[in-house]
Amino acid sequence: DTAVSQTPKYLVTQMGNDKSIKCEQNLGHDTMYWYKQDSKKFLKIMFSYNNKELIINETVPNRFSPKSPDKAHLNLHINSLELGDSAVYFCASSRPGQINTEAFFGQGTRLTVV
Amino acid sequence: GENVEQHPSTLSVQEGDSAVIKCTYSDSASNYFPWYKQELGKGPQLIIDIRSNVGEKKDQRIAVTLNKTAKHFSLHITETQPEDSAVYFCAADSTFTGGGNKLTFGTGTQLKVEL
Repeated sequence: DTAVSQTPKYLVTQMGNDKSIKCEQNLGHDTMYWYKQDSKKFLKIMFSYNNKELIINETVPNRFSPKSPDKAHLNLHINSLELGDSAVYFCASSRPGQINTEAFFGQGTRLTVV
Repeated sequence: GENVEQHPSTLSVQEGDSAVIKCTYSDSASNYFPWYKQELGKGPQLIIDIRSNVGEKKDQRIAVTLNKTAKHFSLHITETQPEDSAVYFCAADSTFTGGGNKLTFGTGTQLKVEL
């Protein structure tokens, strides 16, 4: 069983387009995250949601809009894609109501903007 | 905010040798330090973690040490095997209200175990 699953795994699109990445977790976790990994493998948090509520927004351009329809899903919508948005985006989740616990990551979505 | 530095960026060892990766952090309030392994084309996976009330933790061939005074922590892999080849990330969890983790990652270490 896949714990944190993202779709699609690969996404190639043209500049200016709008695209979405979906994430679902079946671990019963309350908290979900989006991380961005650039070409140098650097991992940086973008957003965190706890029980459908936004709690971290790390100065990400407002072209990026996360949406959490329920606590098992956290989707990422990106408007007006730019070349610099090309990266691997990881969804993650962690245990309910606790800090300092393991974060489980999805397999990643490799976004290429051409 | 938290800043995590990681060294070395690449590490090549012979099979059976030990590998050591070191990290430093800046926020004295951080109290959780996980290590993740990322294989090619996959997401990061936790291999070991340590909390601030512990100085050392071991799990089979993997150990982590933490020095809170000096704000540094290290990953030690003994008897390395080819399947240990991957990118390793350290991270520090800076506290915030609202629940969950805010992990700040190091820049990663590409470990290559040669036969």
